[in-house]
Amino acid sequence: EPEVTQTPSHQVTQMGQEVILRCVPISNHLYFYWYRQILGQKVEFLVSFYNNEISEKSEIFDDQFSVERPDGSNFTLKIRSTKLEDSAMYFCASSEGRNYEQYFGPGTRLTVT
Amino acid sequence: DAKTTQPPSMDCAEGRAANLPCNHSTISGNEYVYWYRQIHSQGPQYIIHGLKNNETNEMASLIITEDRKSSTLILPHATLRDTAVYYCIVRWKAGGYQKVTFGTGTKLQVIP
Repeated sequence: EPEVTQTPSHQVTQMGQEVILRCVPISNHLYFYWYRQILGQKVEFLVSFYNNEISEKSEIFDDQFSVERPDGSNFTLKIRSTKLEDSAMYFCASSEGRNYEQYFGPGTRLTVT
Repeated sequence: DAKTTQPPSMDCAEGRAANLPCNHSTISGNEYVYWYRQIHSQGPQYIIHGLKNNETNEMASLIITEDRKSSTLILPHATLRDTAVYYCIVRWKAGGYQKVTFGTGTKLQVIP
């Protein structure tokens, strides 16, 4: 069964550094998403991406975040200058269409020290 | 500022039906209701979604009230592997931003 994959599973970085989290969505899916979950808290929507551009974003997704689909398979989330409060589990998801079910990856645990 | 409210926890005996309620009284006319679950810290897993009509798939059934202000997820024969946090989700826009809040969900404990 096709699945969303994410790398790395755990990323440790120092405050102020840039990080890139990688995702490979399911191949025939057209919508891509990033969510985050701070330890013990709710899953929060960050951004959705369709047709090579951001289609929707939340107020969390500020200028320090960016997303890109650099080739036909990868979907990346870049955090420009990490802060301690960016420590969280980051989930990538993909779906065939806007109102279709989203398939989530296993997540990348980001730890900012 | 979640648009959904769910009981924080429920217990269900193994083999029995688990009925998980959700209130979404401010849902707009064209927004779907989605249900996901999360086991430990794994990625959320899609269960089912619907707009107006009741829906059923291999995992669950979704009953949506006629006024669409609430819904119930039914797991017909709960197993121990169904122990998870269940989230009822709607999407809406506020202040120009897309809002999708998983909320705190219902922690379902299936008891042997």
